Amino acid sequence: EVQLVESGGGLVQPGGSLRLSCAASGFTFSSYAMHWVRQAPGKGLEYVSAISSNGGSTYYANSVKGRFTISRDNSKNTLYLQMGSLRAEDMAVYYCARGEGVMDVWGQGTTVTVSS
Amino acid sequence: EIVMTQSPATLSVSPGERATLSCRASQSVSSNLAWYQQKPGQAPRLLIYGASTRATGIPARFSGSGSGTEFTLTISSLQSEDFAVYYCQQYNNWPPPWTFGQGTKVEIK
Repeated sequence: EVQLVESGGGLVQPGGSLRLSCAASGFTFSSYAMHWVRQAPGKGLEYVSAISSNGGSTYYANSVKGRFTISRDNSKNTLYLQMGSLRAEDMAVYYCARGEGVMDVWGQGTTVTVSS
Repeated sequence: EIVMTQSPATLSVSPGERATLSCRASQSVSSNLAWYQQKPGQAPRLLIYGASTRATGIPARFSGSGSGTEFTLTISSLQSEDFAVYYCQQYNNWPPPWTFGQGTKVEIK
C-alpha cells in the first residue's frame, strides 16, 4: 500500500524549532518530488515547500523562506521539514504529499501548535 | 506567482442535483490543473488532474474541463459523501509554487 505518515508535530513556543518527518512506503520514494502543504485552523491549503526527487532542487514559500529547510533521505524513504523561528502564523496541520506536479498521495497530517 | 481564484466560496446544492465549481488562473497554466476534495479532519484527496482526467477510483459523476485560465469541476448528481470543500491547484512549471485556490465549500441545501 502506498502510504505517507507524518510525525514530529507538537506544541512549541514562539521562536522555537521543530522537525517534521514524513515516512514513505509502498513506492519508489527516490523517483518522486515531495512537498509540504499546510492548513491553518479553518483556512485553506497553503503550499509551503518542495524538493526534487534527488534533493538537488528545493523551493520555499516566501512566508517560510530562511526559517524552514526541506530535505530528504532517499536511503530511509523519509522527507523532513526543519522549522525554525516559529511564529503564531505557522500554526497549522502540515501535510506531506507526493508528486511531480499533481499531488496524488497525501499523508494524514501532523499538527504544529505555536503558543507560549 | 500564479494566483488561483475559485468561485463561489460556498455552493448550496440539494442531493441529486448538479454542482458546478469554477477556478480561474491569473495566467495560463495550460492543462496543468488539479482538483482536490477535502472532508473535515481528513487530508485532501486528488480527484482530477490534467484538467479533465479522473484519478484512480474517482466516480464518473466527477468531471473536469477547461484549459488556459478557466476551469470547471462538475459533479453531475451530488451524493451525500460529496459534501466537502474542493480546491483547485495549478502545477504549470518547476519550480513551484503550485498554488491552490481558496476553496469552494459544497454544502447541503
